[in-house]
Amino acid sequence: ETGVTQTPRHLVMGMTNKKSLKCEQHLGHNAMYWYKQSAKKPLELMFVYSLEERVENNSVPSRFSPECPNSSHLFLHLHTLQPEDSALYLCASSQPGGRSGNEQFFGPGTRLTVL
Amino acid sequence: GDSVTQMEGPVTLSEEAFLTINCTYTATGYPSLFWYVQYPGEGLQLLLKATKADDKGSNKGFEATYRKETTSFHLEKGSVQVSDSAVYFCALSDGGSNYKLTFGKGTLLTVNP
Repeated sequence: ETGVTQTPRHLVMGMTNKKSLKCEQHLGHNAMYWYKQSAKKPLELMFVYSLEERVENNSVPSRFSPECPNSSHLFLHLHTLQPEDSALYLCASSQPGGRSGNEQFFGPGTRLTVL
Repeated sequence: GDSVTQMEGPVTLSEEAFLTINCTYTATGYPSLFWYVQYPGEGLQLLLKATKADDKGSNKGFEATYRKETTSFHLEKGSVQVSDSAVYFCALSDGGSNYKLTFGKGTLLTVNP
């Protein structure tokens, strides 16, 4: 595997379910990100992890719970979601402080539908 | 704070037409500038970048020049193809905050045969 991978690619869940999204990066980066992309809205940064520590949390509801067990893996745990949480969830990674100016590499996303 | 403004879409062109998507920015310091592309059903891919003033980024026939005097980074392509149909995002990274990319709202491009 190369680059940034995300599983599952598609997820349908009820409002009472608990599920997790997984992201893995094979680039040796030390920062990872979760974004939410909703129809007709700008890309929203949700969480940032650097060296497995959360460095940014942009007022995301507590029904979204991130976990970064190591610099290659990032999870987004979901519980009691609402239909308005249906969106494409994108994971990205980068190597901040390098000469590339924080170029981020994105995974293909998980298309989440909450019924 | 930092911001990116790009032209509203959608943009519809015929194959082989010339493309310009405007992007202007506000930022403190000396940001790096990016264009990302998102094809249907996929994540974002870096298309090109420029890290300092007057740099020209280029890839797959697309070009953009970092213009500090006009705070712009317009995307151009001389002859678009149907396969260029996608959403294009302009973004900046403020050197002072190494984690964050600030994105524009995206411009949907549709190229018809």
